[in-house]
Amino acid sequence: GESVGLHLPTLSVQEGDNSIINCAYSNSASDYFIWYKQESGKGPQFIIDIRSNMDKRQGQRVTVLLNKTVKHLSLQIAATQPGDSAVYFCAENIYNQGGKLIFGQGTELSVKP
Amino acid sequence: NAGVTQTPKFRVLKTGQSMTLLCAQDMNHEYMYWYRQDPGMGLRLIHYSVGEGTTAKGEVPDGYNVSRLKKQNFLLGLESAAPSQTSVYFCASSFLAGRSFQETQYFGPGTRLLVL
Repeated sequence: GESVGLHLPTLSVQEGDNSIINCAYSNSASDYFIWYKQESGKGPQFIIDIRSNMDKRQGQRVTVLLNKTVKHLSLQIAATQPGDSAVYFCAENIYNQGGKLIFGQGTELSVKP
Repeated sequence: NAGVTQTPKFRVLKTGQSMTLLCAQDMNHEYMYWYRQDPGMGLRLIHYSVGEGTTAKGEVPDGYNVSRLKKQNFLLGLESAAPSQTSVYFCASSFLAGRSFQETQYFGPGTRLLVL
C-alpha cells in the first residue's frame, strides 16, 4: 500500500553540526515530494520540494536528496541552529489523486546548544 | 495576506454535540484540504475540495462532513462528536494539485478539539 515513513523518530544534534533526516516512500508512481517543518503549536511550514526528475535540490541551508532506485529521500540541514528544532515531515504528493499528500510520521529534531 | 486562517483555535465538546470548523484562505487557491493530526502520527486527510462546490473523501472521512460554498472557505462539520475525534485539525490550500513550489499546500495554524 501507499506509505511514507521516516527511519528515526527523534534526532539530537549539536548546534552547528549538520543534520540528516531520512524518509522512505513506497508509491513508485509518486513524482513530487515535500519536506515540511512543524514547530510546537503551529501548522506545517513548507521547507523545500523536489520532483522525481531531479536527484538533488538546494535551498538556504537545506538540501533534499532523492534516490528513486531505493525510494528514499533525505533532508540535510547545514549548520543546525536552535531555531531548527521542530518535527520534520516528508510528504508524498500524488498528482492524479487531487494533489493529496501522504505524510510520514515525522522526525523530531532537537538541537543542543 | 493572512494566508490560511482557522476558527476556532480551541474547542471543548461533549459527546454527541455538533460543531463546524471554519477555514478561510485569501490566496485565491483552488484546492483546499482538511487534515487531522494525532500524537505521534503524521497528518491524515479527512476531506478535500478541488474547487468551489466540489468535495471529495480523503483517508479518514467517517464522522465528518464538508462544504465549499465559496472558493475562499472550506467548512468541516462534526454532526455528533465522539471522543475519537479529539485531535488537532489543520486546513490547507494550494493553487493547483501540487507539482511545484508555487502549487504546494499551505497550512493554517490548527484547531485543537477535545471531545469529552
